[in-house]
Amino acid sequence: GAGVSQTPSNKVTEKGKYVELRCDPISGHTALYWYRQSLGQGPEFLIYFQGTGAADDSGLPNDRFFAVRPEGSVSTLKIQRTERGDSAVYLCASSSLAGNYGYTFGSGTRLTVV
Amino acid sequence: AQKITQTQPGMFVQEKEAVTLDCTYDTSDPSYGLFWYKQPSSGEMIFLIYQGSYDQQNATEGRYSLNFQKARKSANLVISASQLGDSAMYFCAMRELSFGGGFKTIFGAGTRLFVKA
Repeated sequence: GAGVSQTPSNKVTEKGKYVELRCDPISGHTALYWYRQSLGQGPEFLIYFQGTGAADDSGLPNDRFFAVRPEGSVSTLKIQRTERGDSAVYLCASSSLAGNYGYTFGSGTRLTVV
Repeated sequence: AQKITQTQPGMFVQEKEAVTLDCTYDTSDPSYGLFWYKQPSSGEMIFLIYQGSYDQQNATEGRYSLNFQKARKSANLVISASQLGDSAMYFCAMRELSFGGGFKTIFGAGTRLFVKA
């Protein structure tokens, strides 16, 4: 597609529930990144995919968080047993392999855990 | 340890004047990249400008320029002739090697810029 698409744009869920957030990157971009942005803060790195594999998942806060990119395009961030502290905007970005010219970000998914 | 430091939580500038947003960074990698992003109130992250660690010249993109002082590890963003539409959050970011191969980018806490008419 023309840009990075994230769905849903907003998600409200109850504490303890499971959620999935989807990211559809720019066609042909091999690198895909997930970030979390809390109110008033900068984006916090979660995980980076190069193709289908997670090249760096060092930013995932705990084992409740997991992400996949099975065909090297669309990625899904999965959060189990959600907690109120998980409430944030989850941003997805993609870039070409070179990555010298910055990422293209999606509009984000605002997750609210009540 | 903080790798990207933006010491100005908020800045005010008069329309049509220039403003400098500060950024310092910390890395031991000899090769790295520095970025600035703009985030308006609508929430999207917009890439503004990039500076490579080996670039001899300071990067410029229209009204944006990056004042790169390698020895001081600073990468300040200069916006010339400020416009009302420049009011937004601005994030400094650094590309660093990822242990899994390739690169990842880490962000500072941001500076909120207010442009006054």
